[in-house]
Amino acid sequence: GESVGLHLPTLSVQEGDNSIINCAYSNSASDYFIWYKQESGKGPQFIIDIRSNMDKRQGQRVTVLLNKTVKHLSLQIAATQPGDSAVYFCAESPGYSTLTFGKGTMLLVSP
Amino acid sequence: DSGVTQTPKHLITATGQRVTLRCSPRSGDLSVYWYQQSLDQGLQFLIQYYNGEERAKGNILERFSAQQFPDLHSELNLSSLELGDSALYFCASSPRGVAGTYEQYFGPGTRLTVT
Repeated sequence: GESVGLHLPTLSVQEGDNSIINCAYSNSASDYFIWYKQESGKGPQFIIDIRSNMDKRQGQRVTVLLNKTVKHLSLQIAATQPGDSAVYFCAESPGYSTLTFGKGTMLLVSP
Repeated sequence: DSGVTQTPKHLITATGQRVTLRCSPRSGDLSVYWYQQSLDQGLQFLIQYYNGEERAKGNILERFSAQQFPDLHSELNLSSLELGDSALYFCASSPRGVAGTYEQYFGPGTRLTVT
């Protein structure tokens, strides 16, 4: 498979644990945030998004939290499974259509 | 499967050459975005087209150009290729490109190797 980064921060968890992936964003004008999952050899896959008028949004097994005061975004994955192993990217946008991606975090889930 | 298709999957070419990467967006999506992903730079936005017109430009080199055709498919042209252009090139699409920002759906990518 394709490696998307050799020096990414890595989070290692056991199957069944909850995972929290953090992201600090840079642009205080950003009002749209999105999380993507990228498995080896594949394109980024949309997970969940949130707008700046919210501080929490839940999906299936995932929750995104937004703290605009400290410009921090987190992705919580409940009951992490081996299939969740991937690189996770946060991205931000100041309201027009370009996304700025973070460097990514590698999540490794052990059975 | 995101519904976005990209061809070719792999491309190997020599320095100085020119290549064309092709992308077909999801049915109904009007916006197409191109990104470059390299090991040291992460995902970098290159350019966006909306309904045939250039909408936004990112870190795209002058040697690179793109266009979106009436049937909404898009092509990214890379010329005078250098070793440093070796990367994964992704296309993404979204239904809108005018107001606000919505999730973008990515294709499987084209891996370009310049030798």
